[in-house]
Amino acid sequence: GNSVTQMEGPVTLSEEAFLTINCTYTATGYPSLFWYVQYPGEGLQLLLKATKADDKGSNKGFEATYRKETTSFHLEKGSVQVSDSAVYFCAQGGGTYKYIFGTGTRLKVLA
Amino acid sequence: DSGVTQTPKHLITATGQRVTLRCSPRSGDLSVYWYQQSLDQGLQFLIQYYNGEERAKGNILERFSAQQFPDLHSELNLSSLELGDSALYFCASGGVFGYTFGSGTRLTVV
Repeated sequence: GNSVTQMEGPVTLSEEAFLTINCTYTATGYPSLFWYVQYPGEGLQLLLKATKADDKGSNKGFEATYRKETTSFHLEKGSVQVSDSAVYFCAQGGGTYKYIFGTGTRLKVLA
Repeated sequence: DSGVTQTPKHLITATGQRVTLRCSPRSGDLSVYWYQQSLDQGLQFLIQYYNGEERAKGNILERFSAQQFPDLHSELNLSSLELGDSALYFCASGGVFGYTFGSGTRLTVV
């Protein structure tokens, strides 16, 4: 069945470091791909999305490219800030059907 | 405000009791999804409703049930509560362009 696998956390980085959080998926067909972020004590917020192969989603300095050939959607940011500390979830979905989420990766950024 | 409203925000109840969680989807969204988030199990999909009909079922216990009403709000009923049911329960609405999540209901069973 369809699934999403993302790298285990926690990931601890110093401020201004480069961030990569890996995400791969298995799917029949070509789902849309998403990254969600959950700040402490809050719900999940959509960070960025890509709806077809080679699309790049971007928001708040974060980027991810839909790679069909490697079935990946890795999240990157060139220079993280303390305020980026949160849990990041990769997800796949489409239409009105349920989304499948990865297990989440906790990011901690140190000043 | 995400547009998805969940009530109550916090709920503390005893084992064996029954509670109802409520969700109002974003205006115009026909789909409602319920998820359970516990510390050690990430986000677990429970159930989806689309325009009043059950569309998909996930890891939802028999003690749990849900429904979506004609005005599209949804309720998740949890009964015979156990300590292990303590978790954050999220509702989301939407679909094609991504979910919009509510801020969740934190359930503590004591």
